[in-house]
Amino acid sequence: KAGVTQTPRYLIKTRGQQVTLSCSPISGHRSVSWYQQTPGQGLQFLFEYFSETQRNKGNFPGRFSGRQFSNSRSEMNVSTLELGDSALYLCASSLGAGTSVMNEQFFGPGTRLTVL
Amino acid sequence: KQEVTQIPAALSVPEGENLVLNCSFTDSAIYNLQWFRQDPGKGLTSLLLIQSSQREQTSGRLNASLDKSSGRSTLYIAASQPGDSATYLCAVLRIQGAQKLVFGQGTRLTINP
Repeated sequence: KAGVTQTPRYLIKTRGQQVTLSCSPISGHRSVSWYQQTPGQGLQFLFEYFSETQRNKGNFPGRFSGRQFSNSRSEMNVSTLELGDSALYLCASSLGAGTSVMNEQFFGPGTRLTVL
Repeated sequence: KQEVTQIPAALSVPEGENLVLNCSFTDSAIYNLQWFRQDPGKGLTSLLLIQSSQREQTSGRLNASLDKSSGRSTLYIAASQPGDSATYLCAVLRIQGAQKLVFGQGTRLTINP
């Protein structure tokens, strides 16, 4: 069974640009969550999508947005990039409903975003 | 607000030792707790998930315990190997249906041959 995949793996952008990251969940998983990881703040929750609907949102500015498609693949977009957006962006998938075990989250390899 | 703390931040031990990593959380009303491993520059690998109704889970040389009343979890690694060197993260899931994991800052583990 294929794991969570993320594309691209590395990105270099300049301030003011926008970027779109993609995540394909494990087959059968309907929940996709996005996290930002930085050395200073650690892992922080961005948002979660379940069956094409945003179900939860973290404390990030509106420049961070996302969406989920009918095949559960998800994209996140960051507009007007700032230097502080440089981070490893991780997505995680899970069944997202039912028993506790069904909420186990599996992570992709991440996208390393560098903003110059 | 749920806060998760991991102590120590870094740990270096010789190969073969048994070791314990600690995780504490401020709100005992959790749904489950996951332990992850992260290698440098890589994503997270799920090691163990403990449901709120469980006291412990085991997988190979790993054993994780959960004490909700005291807000603590421990990850026990038996007979450590150099390949166990990585950062270990614990994360709690607060509410069923809200897939928002709250992470600790991690423990960076180095196993010396």
